[in-house]
Amino acid sequence: GAGVSQSPSNKVTEKGKDVELRCDPISGHTALYWYRQSLGQGLEFLIYFQGNSAPDKSGLPSDRFSAERTGGSVSTLTIQRTQQEDSAVYLCASCLAGAGETQYFGPGTRLLVL
Amino acid sequence: QKEVEQDPGPLSVPEGAIVSLNCTYSNSAFQYFMWYRQYSRKGPELLMYTYSSGNKEDGRFTAQVDKSSKYISLFIRDSQPSDSATYLCSGGSQGNLIFGKGTKLSVKP
Repeated sequence: GAGVSQSPSNKVTEKGKDVELRCDPISGHTALYWYRQSLGQGLEFLIYFQGNSAPDKSGLPSDRFSAERTGGSVSTLTIQRTQQEDSAVYLCASCLAGAGETQYFGPGTRLLVL
Repeated sequence: QKEVEQDPGPLSVPEGAIVSLNCTYSNSAFQYFMWYRQYSRKGPELLMYTYSSGNKEDGRFTAQVDKSSKYISLFIRDSQPSDSATYLCSGGSQGNLIFGKGTKLSVKP
C-alpha cells in the first residue's frame, strides 16, 4: 500500500499562532514517531506512540507541543503559540510493533514561523 | 557528548570512487544500528540495518559495526551521482532511535 503521508507539505505561519500537522502511517503499523529536523541539529525525537500504550513524550521540547493519535492510526502534532525557533521540518515515521529498527518516514512538513 | 556523532561533511567524490561514511556512538545499550539516505526535501529512507558487530552487504553498500570501539561505518562502492544525498547513521534499542546529524555526500560525474 501507500507509504507514510504527511500534510501539509509546507506551512507558513505567524509567530504566536497555533499549527496542526498531520501524519497518516502505513496501514497496520502500530508504532508512530514524530521527529524534528532543524538545520545543523539533525533528527530530534519528539514523541512515540505504540498501540494503546501511553505515549513516550520525553522528546517534546516544551508544553507548547502536544500530539495525539486517534483510533491507532492518524496522528496530529500541535504546536501552540509558535515561535521562530519552531521553524523546522517535522517528520513522521511508522513501523510494526517491536520493529523500531525499520522505521518508514513520511516526506515531512516544512514549518516556517515568521 | 551527543550519543551519536557524525561528521557533517560535505564530502565530494568523483563518480566511481569508494565512499566511507563514519559515526561513533556512546550508548552501550544500543541493540541495532541503521543507515538512512535522505535526498533533498525528502524524508529519510532506510538503507540498511544490523544488530551485531561485523559487516552486512547489500549491493554496492556495506554496513560495518564495531561494538568494541563503538564505531559505525557505511561503504559505498562504485559511487554514482544518484548516491548524492545526506546519509544519517542511527543507533537504538527498544524502539527508540538516536540519529547522527548526517553527512552530505556529493558524487561528481
